[in-house]
Amino acid sequence: QVQLVQSGAEVKKPGASVKVSCKASGYTFTSYDINWVRQVPGQGLEWMGWMNPNSGNTGNAQKFQGRVTMTRNTSISTVYMELSSLRFEDMAVYYCARGDCNSGTCVLDFWGQGTLVTVSS
Amino acid sequence: DIQMTQSPSSLSASVGDRVTITCRASQSIGRFLNWYQQKPGKAPNLLIYAASSLQSGVPSRFSGSGSGTDFTLTISNLQPEDFATYYCQQSYSIVYTFGQGTKLEIK
Repeated sequence: QVQLVQSGAEVKKPGASVKVSCKASGYTFTSYDINWVRQVPGQGLEWMGWMNPNSGNTGNAQKFQGRVTMTRNTSISTVYMELSSLRFEDMAVYYCARGDCNSGTCVLDFWGQGTLVTVSS
Repeated sequence: DIQMTQSPSSLSASVGDRVTITCRASQSIGRFLNWYQQKPGKAPNLLIYAASSLQSGVPSRFSGSGSGTDFTLTISNLQPEDFATYYCQQSYSIVYTFGQGTKLEIK
């Protein structure tokens, strides 16, 4: 069965960076994009960006341009999302989600369990 | 970026009711519209894709319609497990965007 397992909760200081991992299993890792979506506590979902694990190509929302970096290790079916220059407002649950664009449209069909990133001085 | 606006932001209903949630896009997105359900402390779950196609395993009381800029999610015969927050999301643009969410509460 498809599973996305994320790394554990993090506590970081303002200005630091955080790197969250997303390990995929149950499907061909290189056949589907991985997207990142975050959710500030009590607020809605915010799409951050995507990575194609096959090509390594990435794209992201303008809001995160220059602060977000997505990488992958295909040997262990894992995608990483690093967010730098953390601010208090970056405190959120970060989700990875598989992007399936194989049926003429694109959906986020499987999600990780979420990783809480706390930003505190 | 394409802006997605949902209404209402919150909604109270009773078990057995039929409810409708609306999502409007700031520009035409064809039928590139998905709906997700999220329960507290859990990741979102895909319900409807391509505006009206039911994701595998999702009960048939959920339905979607619309195209262009206006879309609806309808839940018929509300069940206790349906009380959650619902989000629309467009995949027309390579920059995905979500609506702000609609919280469905028990009356």
